[in-house]
Amino acid sequence: DGGITQSPKYLFRKEGQNVTLSCEQNLNHDAMYWYRQDPGQGLRLIYYSQIVNDFQKGDIAEGYSVSREKKESFPLTVTSAQKNPTAFYLCASRMGQGVNTEAFFGQGTRLTVV
Amino acid sequence: EDKVVQSPLSLVVHEGDTVTLNCSYEVTNFRSLLWYKQEKKAPTFLFMLTSSGIEKKSGRLSSILDKKELFSILNITATQTGDSAVYLCAVSGAGSYQLTFGKGTKLSVIP
Repeated sequence: DGGITQSPKYLFRKEGQNVTLSCEQNLNHDAMYWYRQDPGQGLRLIYYSQIVNDFQKGDIAEGYSVSREKKESFPLTVTSAQKNPTAFYLCASRMGQGVNTEAFFGQGTRLTVV
Repeated sequence: EDKVVQSPLSLVVHEGDTVTLNCSYEVTNFRSLLWYKQEKKAPTFLFMLTSSGIEKKSGRLSSILDKKELFSILNITATQTGDSAVYLCAVSGAGSYQLTFGKGTKLSVIP
């Protein structure tokens, strides 16, 4: 089945640790996105990528890093520099710029700092 | 910087009521506006509105886009408890892959 897979679903991190959230898609989409969602809030853009080996900061990139070495994969690292990382993280993908389509979402990763 | 403002932020209605959710936006070189429904985890796609498609309808849900006044509305008629969710609005501009979301409207439908 085509879709976006995020893992893990739940993640616990100790303060001061880096953690990496996985996002894989088999939809052959060019663009991929990472969003953060806090309780009662909408989606805030962390990073997005429109092509392999290229990515841009979103509105809240501080304390996060990404890579795009393969078209299918867009992992997000939450670093120790992120002061308040507890949140729900959503990954999305979308076809290329020449095609105006919707974005598809993964099921999300809930990160908790303990 | 692209901007999306949704109103109201929350809404409680009784089953059978009709609701209207609002989304105003600012975006460079508008390309599309999208509506999503989020019940628990992944948002699910409802509608996409563009310059060539300013009205969409699916069952009890419908949406229109006013490109001149820079807003969109999502209407839900004869609401059901299954419509309870957060409804998200997002915009995309030409020349950019960025997809900017609003804070969402939390709709609660009570029996």
